[in-house]
Amino acid sequence: GAVVSQHPSRVICKSGTSVKIECRSLDFQATTMFWYRQFPKKSLMLMATSNEGSKATYEQGVEKDKFLINHASLTLSTLTVTSAHPEDSSFYICSAPGTGLSYGYTFGSGTRLTVV
Amino acid sequence: AQRVTQPEKLLSVFKGAPVELKCNYSYSGSPELFWYVQYSRQRLQLLLRHISRESIKGFTADLNKGETSFHLKKPFAQEEDSAMYYCALRNAGNMLTFGGGTRLMVKP
Repeated sequence: GAVVSQHPSRVICKSGTSVKIECRSLDFQATTMFWYRQFPKKSLMLMATSNEGSKATYEQGVEKDKFLINHASLTLSTLTVTSAHPEDSSFYICSAPGTGLSYGYTFGSGTRLTVV
Repeated sequence: AQRVTQPEKLLSVFKGAPVELKCNYSYSGSPELFWYVQYSRQRLQLLLRHISRESIKGFTADLNKGETSFHLKKPFAQEEDSAMYYCALRNAGNMLTFGGGTRLMVKP
C-alpha cells in the first residue's frame, strides 16, 4: 500500500536554528501533503496544505514565514521550522491523501522536535 | 466550520467487555468520516471508513446523520485494542479534521 516516509523521526536543535523535516511518498505520487502538529495530550491540528508546484495554504494562526513548506516534486514535501524556539517543540506529522477506492490517508511516522 | 468531538479522553474497560468510543461531528455538507488508530510507538493508521461499512479487527462504526454521530463499537474488547483512537471528518476540500482522541485501555 501507499507509504509516506518521514525524516527525521527525532531532532533536537538549539534555539535560533532551523530544522527541515522531509516527507516522501514512496510508491505513489502525492500532489498534496498535509502537515499537522500535535501538542502533548492534544489532537492533531492542521498547519498547512502543500501542493506540488504551487504555494502552500496555511491555516489561520500559522506563521508562514516560520513554517516554510516546499512541495518540490510529486514525491517530496518539506517543512522547515525557521529560527526555532522552545515553544515550537512538538510532534509534526505529514499525511497524503489516498487515491481510488481505498480513500484513506497515509501518515508519516512523525517527527519529534525538541528545541533547547 | 466543521468540528469533530470525542467526549471521552480515556476509556478503560476489561477484556471481553463491550466498548463504544463516541464521536460527534458538525458539518454543513455531506460528511465522510473515518476512524484512525495509533498503537503505542506506531504511526497513525486508518481503521475504518464510513463509506465502506466494513468491520476491521471486530470494530464497526455506523454513521448516524440524525444524531451527527459516528461511534466506534466492538462487542468484546481485547488487550491488543489498547491504543489511541481518533475520529476524523473529511470535507469537500479534502481536508481532515480530527477529534481530540480517546485513549482506550483494555485491562486483563
